[in-house]
Amino acid sequence: AQTVTQSQPEMSVQEAETVTLSCTYDTSENNYYLFWYKQPPSRQMILVIRQEAYKQQNATENRFSVNFQKAAKSFSLKISDSQLGDTAMYFCAIRAVGNMLTFGGGTRLMVKP
Amino acid sequence: EADIYQTPRYLVIGTGKKITLECSQTMGHDKMYWYQQDPGMELHLIHYSYGVNSTEKGDLSSESTVSRIRTEHFPLTLESARPSHTSQYLCASRPPGFGELFFGEGSRLTVL
Repeated sequence: AQTVTQSQPEMSVQEAETVTLSCTYDTSENNYYLFWYKQPPSRQMILVIRQEAYKQQNATENRFSVNFQKAAKSFSLKISDSQLGDTAMYFCAIRAVGNMLTFGGGTRLMVKP
Repeated sequence: EADIYQTPRYLVIGTGKKITLECSQTMGHDKMYWYQQDPGMELHLIHYSYGVNSTEKGDLSSESTVSRIRTEHFPLTLESARPSHTSQYLCASRPPGFGELFFGEGSRLTVL
């Protein structure tokens, strides 16, 4: 079984500031992928960033980066230079080989002007 | 944006009605999924399909049913809607391997 925990139900950040969303997970598998998805209000859920567990280098996509700590089973998302359009629900997810995608409970992020 | 479409986006119906939520994707993905999500809450997998004529129930028990007669089409049906079915239903698909999920815009169902 695999589980994902997001301990921050809600967060807020000032525009242009940096914010970090936490995610911890558990899996007995050694080969898996981790994802952060973004769900803006009333809009489509989209992939923000993904990390292969076998890669030590942290993934980066423009203003979004992750801090992947495999031993600690931690996968946090850092958003730099926050923009109003970053306001959304953010879901952390894991998928191991042969398993379904498992989502965390989500973190609602509000970017304030 | 992903080529996966859901209709209707919003639906308000009375108790006891039969409804079908449509989901279509033009990416040729074999794997398709239905999630149920209450507003601002986590996603729960209710159905999935690994290809034509393949359907399975997900982690969350649901009174809905699905079919997969064509690769691109994965409709969800409620034979007799109840207020407890009020929720948002998200359809998704993904390519082979460790590909990401592509989501539709969701169907928000309200049963009065």
